[in-house]
Amino acid sequence: SQKIEQNSEALNIQEGKTATLTCNYTNYSPAYLQWYRQDPGRGPVFLLLIRENEKEKRKERLKVTFDTTLKQSLFHITASQPADSATYLCALVDSSYKLIFGSGTRLLVRP
Amino acid sequence: EAQVTQNPRYLITVTGKKLTVTCSQNMNHEYMSWYRQDPGLGLRQIYYSMNVEVTDKGDVPEGYKVSRKEKRNFPLILESPSPNQTSLYFCASSPFGTGGVEQYFGPGTRLTVT
Repeated sequence: SQKIEQNSEALNIQEGKTATLTCNYTNYSPAYLQWYRQDPGRGPVFLLLIRENEKEKRKERLKVTFDTTLKQSLFHITASQPADSATYLCALVDSSYKLIFGSGTRLLVRP
Repeated sequence: EAQVTQNPRYLITVTGKKLTVTCSQNMNHEYMSWYRQDPGLGLRQIYYSMNVEVTDKGDVPEGYKVSRKEKRNFPLILESPSPNQTSLYFCASSPFGTGGVEQYFGPGTRLTVT
């Protein structure tokens, strides 16, 4: 069956460290993968998009990698800050151009 | 300000009482969609619309209806709500579809059906 999985356990890190979140998928061959940030009670906000032919994408303190062989995307936040605390969602575009979301990983950055 | 708006933001209703959640975007986007979000299940698509008068089912369309009479509006209709439709609902839009383009989400509507 098709699955997109993110770690359901919260990631708790110290301010200033690099946060790394994982998104694994099974039985999909996505052309695109996206990452969103969601704060409690609010709508997701787009962060980054990476294409299947791109290995890595950066935006300020954010970096996304996309490994189609491992079927995995990693999302990094360098020099993390308490304001980065939120839930991060990955989403892939499947072959029928539907956007399929993972259930998200909560990040907590301690001051 | 470019945005997606939803109303109401919170709604408590009873089983069987028809309701409509409105969604409007001011970015002239072609594509609009509705999602529901439940703990542990992530965002699941209910319906989507590629353009005016064009709508299609997502992954969980049962018990919902939509219409797209104008480009900016995409209301979600629950003809006979049931408790299993208690959820957090999000409307989203994008310039065109989902491939290679970001989705803009509304603030959400928290619905409770008793």
